[in-house]
Amino acid sequence: EDKVVQSPLSLVVHEGDTVTLNCSYEVTNFRSLLWYKQEKKAPTFLFMLTSSGIEKKSGRLSSILDKKELFSILNITATQTGDSAIYLCAGRGGGSEKLVFGKGTKLTVNP
Amino acid sequence: SAVISQKPSRDICQRGTSLTIQCQVDSQVTMMFWYRQQPGQSLTLIATANQGSEATYESGFVIDKFPISRPNLTFSTLTVSNMSPEDSSIYLCSVEVSSYNEQFFGPGTRLTVL
Repeated sequence: EDKVVQSPLSLVVHEGDTVTLNCSYEVTNFRSLLWYKQEKKAPTFLFMLTSSGIEKKSGRLSSILDKKELFSILNITATQTGDSAIYLCAGRGGGSEKLVFGKGTKLTVNP
Repeated sequence: SAVISQKPSRDICQRGTSLTIQCQVDSQVTMMFWYRQQPGQSLTLIATANQGSEATYESGFVIDKFPISRPNLTFSTLTVSNMSPEDSSIYLCSVEVSSYNEQFFGPGTRLTVL
């Protein structure tokens, strides 16, 4: 059965800190890994990664995939209180559009 | 991307009743999905809604409990039937604009069953 594991489950930091969120996956015929930010109800799309070693970047957020070691990281630099959210990682296997989600990392950024 | 709306945004229902959730997209999409997020849990796929064919349900979810309609390429409904308190969850629809690309989520429906 496909599985996605995120760590840590929760994290509390101060504004300005840099954080790294981890996501490991076991997905049959892996095709892509997606990161989302969930603040209230709806997850907001952040990144989709398909190739190893190619960093995707958007402002203070960046992410990279390692297909050999089966993991991805999401980095947030110079954190702000508005970064407080649950960050979800999801894997997708070949032959299906289905996403398998991890339990998420709850990030709290204190002023 | 796609702009997705869901109705209702929240509801409180009595045990044994049914609720239909609507999902509307601003563009034609092939794939629409329905997820459930129980309190404190991550997202679990209920089913994939294909236009012109029956929905494909994941293990643990059945059509009698979660009937789905997909009458066209911009609209889908999910019904939660014969509800119990265990059905209290956030229900989310999502779409893929093109195959194997990003999935975008609607704003969700927060359902509480008493």
